[in-house]
Amino acid sequence: SQTIHQWPATLVQPVGSPLSLECTVEGTSNPNLYWYRQAAGRGLQLLFYSVGIGQISSEVPQNLSASRPQDRQFILSSKKLLLSDSGFYLCAWSRTGTSGEQYFGPGTRLTVT
Amino acid sequence: SQQGEEDPQALSIQEGENATMNCSYKTSINNLQWYRQNSGRGLVHLILIRSNEREKHSGRLRVTLDTSKKSSSLLITASRAADTASYFCATVNTGFQKLVFGTGTRLLVSP
Repeated sequence: SQTIHQWPATLVQPVGSPLSLECTVEGTSNPNLYWYRQAAGRGLQLLFYSVGIGQISSEVPQNLSASRPQDRQFILSSKKLLLSDSGFYLCAWSRTGTSGEQYFGPGTRLTVT
Repeated sequence: SQQGEEDPQALSIQEGENATMNCSYKTSINNLQWYRQNSGRGLVHLILIRSNEREKHSGRLRVTLDTSKKSSSLLITASRAADTASYFCATVNTGFQKLVFGTGTRLLVSP
């Protein structure tokens, strides 16, 4: 069976500090990978998606970047956090060539102070 | 950007009652999916309905799709306190499998 891991679960960072959130998927190969952000009480905003190693598409211009150094590893980064980067960050994966069902990780609650 | 709009934004019912949530979207779709999110957790896929389907069932869930009105509904029958969560619709357009999420309905089921 497939499993998706995200860490850390919670993070409190000062403005201007760097960020690195990691997501890994087990039990599948060549998954599509996604990073979402969810503001309090809101829906999900797609930030980045990847169809393969080193292939990253950005949906929203912002202070964040993503990388996929390995097939089942997806990393969300920032060089300098802004207050507006606070939120709930979710990683998800889907199988290539399917109807698009996505499977989500447990999320990371980021608070920028 | 968010394509779907859920209605109502919040719904409060008693155990045993049925809960109906509606979703409207703007563009042509390949399929529409419903997800559930417990507070502070990741989303869980509930059910998928394709653009050429009009109704689908899964356990206590019933989903309808009206592509002419660009709308869908999710019915949860005989609700339980454990159904308390936020429910989101998400559409998949033709092409790459990106999900576009609605704003969600917060469901509270009281014992």
